[in-house]
Order: sequence, then structure tokens, then C-alpha cells
Amino acid sequence: GQSLEQPSEVTAVEGAIVQINCTYQTSGFYGLSWYQQHDGGAPTFLSYNALDGLEETGRFSSFLSRSDSYGYLLLQELQMKDSASYFCAVRDRNSGGYQKVTFGTGTKLQVIP
Amino acid sequence: DGGITQSPKYLFRKEGQNVTLSCEQNLNHDAMYWYRQDPGQGLRLIYYSQIVNDFQKGDIAEGYSVSREKKESFPLTVTSAQKNPTAFYLCASSPGDKTYEQYFGPGTRLTVT
Repeated sequence: GQSLEQPSEVTAVEGAIVQINCTYQTSGFYGLSWYQQHDGGAPTFLSYNALDGLEETGRFSSFLSRSDSYGYLLLQELQMKDSASYFCAVRDRNSGGYQKVTFGTGTKLQVIP
Repeated sequence: DGGITQSPKYLFRKEGQNVTLSCEQNLNHDAMYWYRQDPGQGLRLIYYSQIVNDFQKGDIAEGYSVSREKKESFPLTVTSAQKNPTAFYLCASSPGDKTYEQYFGPGTRLTVT
């Protein structure tokens, strides 16, 4: 089966940089996504990595190493509004051949002044 | 405006009653999903559908049922067989070839007493 591991909580200072790690175990791996969810809200898509390397989108970057089954989300120039939960999610194929996405349990990021 | 709607936002039911949660999208997406989220937890996949009239069980399908008669609609029924139905339910959709980029509705918070 699949498993994903990410830290449950991270605290960082406004203006700093924070990295949220995700390790996964799955078969039929296609790629790794990241989502942001504010308390009480719906998740929103941030990024997707199918190939090894770093993808940059503004203040957010995401990295993937397929050989290490590892990825991370990097948030730069942290702002108070970045306080939220961040989920990694693997895209893979189940035994029936259907693509599906499995979410991790999330990392709650608290940005402090 | 394109998006996903879920209604109602809050729903209260008595134990032993079936309840149906609605999900509608006008994004012309092929794939639709239902997730359950418990406090402090990640998203767990209940059911998903990649085309009309076809759907697959996710990781926690027991006690739930779905239908996909129209591309725009993917209602979820929480049956009385679901042992612990109180949760936050999220519906999502994605283009058929981009299952990794899911767009979420605002969610329905179901309380069963």
C-alpha cells in the first residue's frame, strides 16, 4: 500500500524560509503534489513534481527526488498568511489501473512575528 | 464563475438516517472525488469517478455510496451503516489527465447525533 510521512507541526518566523519534507512509499508512482489548507477552508493546489528537481512558483518551490522517494516544499519570505496546513499527495496507479491521489496527514505551519 | 459547489455548508442528522451531500462543478472536469477529513487529519479518499457512469472505491468506501449520472454532479450518500459519519466532507474535481491538480469545493460539515 501507500504511505506518506510529513512532520505534524512546524513553526517559523515571519520573513524566514521554511522547508516541509515529505517521504513516501508507493508503487506505480507518477508524481508528488502539494496543497495548502487554511483552517476551516478547502485545500488549494500549489505545485506538482513529476520529474526530479526543483520547481519554483513565486515564493513557493517544490522539490522531488524519485530515487529517494522524497520531496519538500520550500516557502520563502514567510508571511503571516502562510500559516496553514500543507499536504503532500502522491499520484499513483492502483491495482485496477486507475490513477488516484493519496494525501499525507499534513503539516501545520505556524508563522510567528 | 467556474467552480465547485457543495451544499449545505453545515448539516445535522440523527443517527440511523441516510443523508446525501451534493457536489456540482461547472469546470467541465472529467474526474470527481469525495474525501473525508477528521480534525487534525489528512484527507481520506472515499470514492472517485473518472468518467460518467463509472466510479471506484477509495480507501474508506464502507458505509458510503455515490452516483455519477452527469458529468457535473457527483452526490455522496452517507448511509446508516457508516459507523462514525461526523466529519468534514470535501468534494473535488480535476481534468482527466491531471488527477494531481484537484480543485476543491468549500466542504460540508456533517454532524450526526
